[in-house]
Amino acid sequence: QKEVEQDPGPLSVPEGAIVSLNCTYSNSAFQYFMWYRQYSRKGPELLMYTYSSGNKEDGRFTAQVDKSSKYISLFIRDSQPSDSATYLCAMNRIGANSKLTFGKGITLSVRP
Amino acid sequence: GAVVSQHPSWVICKSGTSVKIECRSLDFQATTMFWYRQFPKQSLMLMATSNEGSKATYEQGVEKDKFLINHASLTLSTLTVTSAHPEDSSFYICSARWGQGFGNTEAFFGQGTRLTVV
Repeated sequence: QKEVEQDPGPLSVPEGAIVSLNCTYSNSAFQYFMWYRQYSRKGPELLMYTYSSGNKEDGRFTAQVDKSSKYISLFIRDSQPSDSATYLCAMNRIGANSKLTFGKGITLSVRP
Repeated sequence: GAVVSQHPSWVICKSGTSVKIECRSLDFQATTMFWYRQFPKQSLMLMATSNEGSKATYEQGVEKDKFLINHASLTLSTLTVTSAHPEDSSFYICSARWGQGFGNTEAFFGQGTRLTVV
C-alpha cells in the first residue's frame, strides 16, 4: 500500500461548481498536511497547509484533515477556469529534515 | 511568499554531456534544499536532500555519481546531471526551506527545469 493515495482523475467540472479533492494515507506519524497547485510546466505552489486534524479556510479554499480516518480533503467553492491545474496533496512528520510525501496529483479542468 | 528561482527553465543537451541546474532562494536563507524529478502525469519523486555545507542525502535508487548536488551557500544549490542520456529527460524541480521548525511546510518550489537529452 502506498503511503499516500490520491484520486487519479482527471476531473472536469463547470465553472461555479464545488470541487472536492481527496487523499488517504497510511502513516499515522504524518502531522502536517499540504495541498499544492501545479500549473502545466511550472513548479508546485503551496495552497494550504494544516497541522493535525481540523479545518482551515482561505477564501474559496477549505482544507480538512481527519486523522482518525487518515483522510484529507480540499474543497474549492465557486470554481473558476483559472483553478484548472494539477492538485497534489503532500504530508510529512514533525522533525528536522522531514521529507514531503506526495500524492500522484489530480488534474482539474474547470469549463467556462 | 518567498521566492525560489530555478535556472534554466528548459535545456536541450546532447547525450553524453553534463548539465547544471541552479536553484536560488532569493529573499531567505535556505537551510535545506530538495531536488525532485517529475515524469509526465506523475507526482514528484524526491531525489535528494541537501543541507548547506554538508553532503547531500540521496534517496534509494538515485545515483549520486550521476546527479551531483552542491549546496555551497545558504542561497544556492546546484544539480549537475553528468553524462546525460535520453532516459534522464524529465522535469527537475527544487524546493528550498528555511529553519527546521515545522516539517516542510515552509518549502517553496522553483519553477522547474525541463531537461531534454537528444
